[in-house]
Amino acid sequence: GQQVMQIPQYQHVQEGEDFTTYCNSSTTLSNIQWYKQRPGGHPVFLIQLVKSGEVKKQKRLTFQFGEAKKNSSLHITATQTTDVGTYFCAGPSGGSYIPTFGRGTSLIVHP
Amino acid sequence: NAGVTQTPKFQVLKTGQSMTLQCAQDMNHNSMYWYRQDPGMGLRLIYYSASEGTTDKGEVPNGYNVSRLNKREFSLRLESAAPSQTSVYFCASSETGSGGYTFGSGTRLTVV
Repeated sequence: GQQVMQIPQYQHVQEGEDFTTYCNSSTTLSNIQWYKQRPGGHPVFLIQLVKSGEVKKQKRLTFQFGEAKKNSSLHITATQTTDVGTYFCAGPSGGSYIPTFGRGTSLIVHP
Repeated sequence: NAGVTQTPKFQVLKTGQSMTLQCAQDMNHNSMYWYRQDPGMGLRLIYYSASEGTTDKGEVPNGYNVSRLNKREFSLRLESAAPSQTSVYFCASSETGSGGYTFGSGTRLTVV
């Protein structure tokens, strides 16, 4: 079955440093979605990428979808303590519309 | 708008007890989902409903049943709770096949 891997599992950064999490799928994805979950909270939808090679920005967050539509990345520039949380990628493949979620990358920002 | 509302927020059950987790959405979404989240395991799909009147198994359906009562409501039932079902349960909804999911605030279930 489809597998979606995220690395790293955890990342500690000093406030102001950059952060990147990577998402890799064993199969081609029809789209990729990114979510953020604050500690003790619920996942919140951030963005969806659909096109091969697509890049989208939301303020300090940059999302990329790979040319082969099997990988994606989320980059945060100059992290802030409000960026703390777990970032999940999710994507459907094989004709299904149901996305498979990665296990997430937990970001810890030290002030 | 409330979005996706889940009840209860917390629950402690004894092994063998039954309970139903309730979920309602007010966004007129066709699709609804139940996930469980365990430490280090991400979100695993239990059951989903693509539209009113239909339900399908997800990745981890054993020990659960669901009911899509109407377009707004999708409930998850544990008939005989087991300690392995201790988890955080999230309900979500979306337009079928498009856009992101809107999640409820979760139910933290402990089975002792």
